[in-house]
Amino acid sequence: SQQGEEDPQALSIQEGENATMNCSYKTSINNLQWYRQNSGRGLVHLILIRSNEREKHSGRLRVTLDTSKKSSSLLITASRAADTASYFCATATGGFKTIFGAGTRLFVKA
Amino acid sequence: NAGVTQTPKFQVLKTGQSMTLQCAQDMNHNSMYWYRQDPGMGLRLIYYSASEGTTDKGEVPNGYNVSRLNKREFSLRLESAAPSQTSVYFCASTGTVNYGYTFGSGTRLTVV
Repeated sequence: SQQGEEDPQALSIQEGENATMNCSYKTSINNLQWYRQNSGRGLVHLILIRSNEREKHSGRLRVTLDTSKKSSSLLITASRAADTASYFCATATGGFKTIFGAGTRLFVKA
Repeated sequence: NAGVTQTPKFQVLKTGQSMTLQCAQDMNHNSMYWYRQDPGMGLRLIYYSASEGTTDKGEVPNGYNVSRLNKREFSLRLESAAPSQTSVYFCASTGTVNYGYTFGSGTRLTVV
């Protein structure tokens, strides 16, 4: 069973709008990571947030973490057509394993 | 260019054939991983190697074997391929548990 589950499964927005994706997980974590995958390519690491952090920013990306609700969100501001991709959350629960969710497919229309 | 290199990029096998997927990283990372990605299921961990000389099973190890040849290289072997192993396979590496993974570009495997 998957530790992280993204919501929504798919999202279609206009260029310039903000995109918000959510991730829920089941057990305590050490950190939570977000990745982007363009069609036919490998995953690219975007941002990592530790369990004792609540918010993190990187460029147009903002990630929040609520450990009491076991959830995280990824906000992409002022979306561009180049942001079209699948986005995955991944949770590290200890040891050396990181478990990935099924992803959110984002489509940004020009 | 620094990163994770996977070979081959594409492969078609007949049921029962064997093959080895190769992975090498040049970032001096300790940990290496093999995942498979199937439509609608995200990535599932097959095997991982926390450090040179160690390997452990992940979520879906059946039908696979791995070898951590040295710190740089981590190979995945399919001894007798089955159609259920048709998937995209990704190798990844990381330096420590609190850093993100660097992924290879994947191997698209079809078993007929």
